[in-house]
Amino acid sequence: QQQVKQSPQSLIVQKGGIPIINCAYENTAFDYFPWYQQFPGKGPALLIAIRPDVSEKKEGRFTISFNKSAKQFSLHIMDSQPGDSATYFCAARAQKLVFGQGTRLTINP
Amino acid sequence: GAVVSQHPSWVICKSGTSVKIECRSLDFQATTMFWYRQFPKQSLMLMATSNEGSKATYEQGVEKDKFLINHASLTLSTLTVTSAHPEDSSFYICSASPAGLYEQYFGPGTRLTVT
Repeated sequence: QQQVKQSPQSLIVQKGGIPIINCAYENTAFDYFPWYQQFPGKGPALLIAIRPDVSEKKEGRFTISFNKSAKQFSLHIMDSQPGDSATYFCAARAQKLVFGQGTRLTINP
Repeated sequence: GAVVSQHPSWVICKSGTSVKIECRSLDFQATTMFWYRQFPKQSLMLMATSNEGSKATYEQGVEKDKFLINHASLTLSTLTVTSAHPEDSSFYICSASPAGLYEQYFGPGTRLTVT
């Protein structure tokens, strides 16, 4: 019940496309849902986060969609660029952060 | 703002020796810091939660006598890997939350190689 399931495991998109990464959870005690971006050999960087009282949050080219009833949330990257190529992790927090398995995103030029 | 640093960024040590990794919050005070371990192409695994002035809380399966954590101040936590062995080679990452906030900010990580 503490798990966060993330899909897909890897994703390849052409420049300008909109990659979508999905996460699902079971624990209704989760009340904070961040997304992290990690480049090879670096620590994860907080990208955007949402609380369950809103259905969507947008920051720049990054958008989180949140469906509380379905216990799902997703990350959309608008106008994707090769520099967005990285591993993305969703997470959810009750007392501590629980991470998804990660999605390796490649944006082809 | 919200910068977390780690030192060293990489370290190589011989089997049987101990290694200390420092984690600092540079522009905020962190009552709670976290230590993670990450294997190649895998997700982050929480090792322990460190609270300033009290003992760390270790996750199930993490040896507290092997991974010593000290949260000496509101801006500094250290992880000491004692009697390191090759299987301890990994990427260790700390994170910190500003007091009273949900956001958790990560350091750049420390690559430990035990030979």
